[in-house]
Amino acid sequence: GQNIDQPTEMTATEGAIVQINCTYQTSGFNGLFWYQQHAGEAPTFLSYNVLDGLEEKGRFSSFLSRSKGYSYLLLKELQMKDSASYLCAVMDSNYQLIWGAGTKLIIKP
Amino acid sequence: ETGVTQTPRHLVMGMTNKKSLKCEQHLGHNAMYWYKQSAKKPLELMFVYSLEERVENNSVPSRFSPECPNSSHLFLHLHTLQPEDSALYLCASSQDQVGVSGANVLTFGAGSRLTVL
Repeated sequence: GQNIDQPTEMTATEGAIVQINCTYQTSGFNGLFWYQQHAGEAPTFLSYNVLDGLEEKGRFSSFLSRSKGYSYLLLKELQMKDSASYLCAVMDSNYQLIWGAGTKLIIKP
Repeated sequence: ETGVTQTPRHLVMGMTNKKSLKCEQHLGHNAMYWYKQSAKKPLELMFVYSLEERVENNSVPSRFSPECPNSSHLFLHLHTLQPEDSALYLCASSQDQVGVSGANVLTFGAGSRLTVL
């Protein structure tokens, strides 16, 4: 079957760096997405990776290794507003989105 | 309004009630989706509409009935629900159906929190 694994919950300190990992086993691969979801709010798009390597967008970066079935989201200079759930999703060979259960990130002062 | 708007934000209903969830987008997107989000579980795709035609129904029980009267509106009609149907129901839209043209980013609404008693 198809599977996306992410840690259920992580805690980090304001101003620090945190890495949220996502591993996947899917039938084919057509790209990996990261979304951010604040409590009670809509998930919002953060990044899309289809080729290996690191994509940087301000304080957020996303990395992909297709051979390892692995991605991570790197958040730098953490702010309290970064407390949210982070959802990893992979588009398989049929262009179906396979979702992880999300990682709840708690930022402490 | 911009983005994707869902109403109501919260809904409590008994198992014998009939209610509807509404979703509206004014982004000019061609595809709309219903997802179910339960605590600590992955998003479950329920229905996909592309250009107002249903293109996917992921084995969803018939007590959930979608309707897409036009490209801007999507409804989810609910009847005879079960307590296990309690969840956050998210509506999303994208320019085209996911996979049709590269990476189609989903724009989500804030969801309708449903509680079935």
